[in-house]
Amino acid sequence: GAVVSQHPSWVICKSGTSVKIECRSLDFQATTMFWYRQFPKQSLMLMATSNEGSKATYEQGVEKDKFLINHASLTLSTLTVTSAHPEDSSFYICSARTNRGETQYFGPGTRLLVL
Amino acid sequence: GQSLEQPSEVTAVEGAIVQINCTYQTSGFYGLSWYQQHDGGAPTFLSYNALDGLEETGRFSSFLSRSDSYGYLLLQELQMKDSASYFCAVRDSNYQLIWGAGTKLIIKP
Repeated sequence: GAVVSQHPSWVICKSGTSVKIECRSLDFQATTMFWYRQFPKQSLMLMATSNEGSKATYEQGVEKDKFLINHASLTLSTLTVTSAHPEDSSFYICSARTNRGETQYFGPGTRLLVL
Repeated sequence: GQSLEQPSEVTAVEGAIVQINCTYQTSGFYGLSWYQQHDGGAPTFLSYNALDGLEETGRFSSFLSRSDSYGYLLLQELQMKDSASYFCAVRDSNYQLIWGAGTKLIIKP
């Protein structure tokens, strides 16, 4: 089946630094990628939707200048948390979908801890 | 490698009961979760099992058997609004979520 990877799986950083998370579709071309944020035992909160080669569409309340999303190729999307603060500590999950609109394939997640 | 297996599609009748199975093979186990996703929406959390047995929440129940690496989601008194995709996910020893491919539940009147 389709595989989505994320890197890194864990990251601890100091407050004020920026962190980049990569999301890759390993064996298929992902025309659309989604970025979610999740708190323990809670539902995934959609942050933004990105289509390859175009600007990401952010959900209401998500700061586009803080959470920079780049979807430069059909197999890679990146989320950069700029000037991270402790309240940004969370579990970030990406998912990918092909242009046929099939089911989404989820990545394993990246746990971010900002000190 | 790590994997979760669940049926790709299940069809049931409104008012009936349906069970969606999930078997897993992961390095470490910190619990089995179930999520519901309607078309175009984000996955919503349904249940979490860390210990063996049945957890009931309204019309939905989730079961886990760690010795069998197996769990299921049971939906009772099906309603048309239950038509969605259902994902099982296991958190492994690295705290990463290993996802199943999802089961599309089709409910007929």
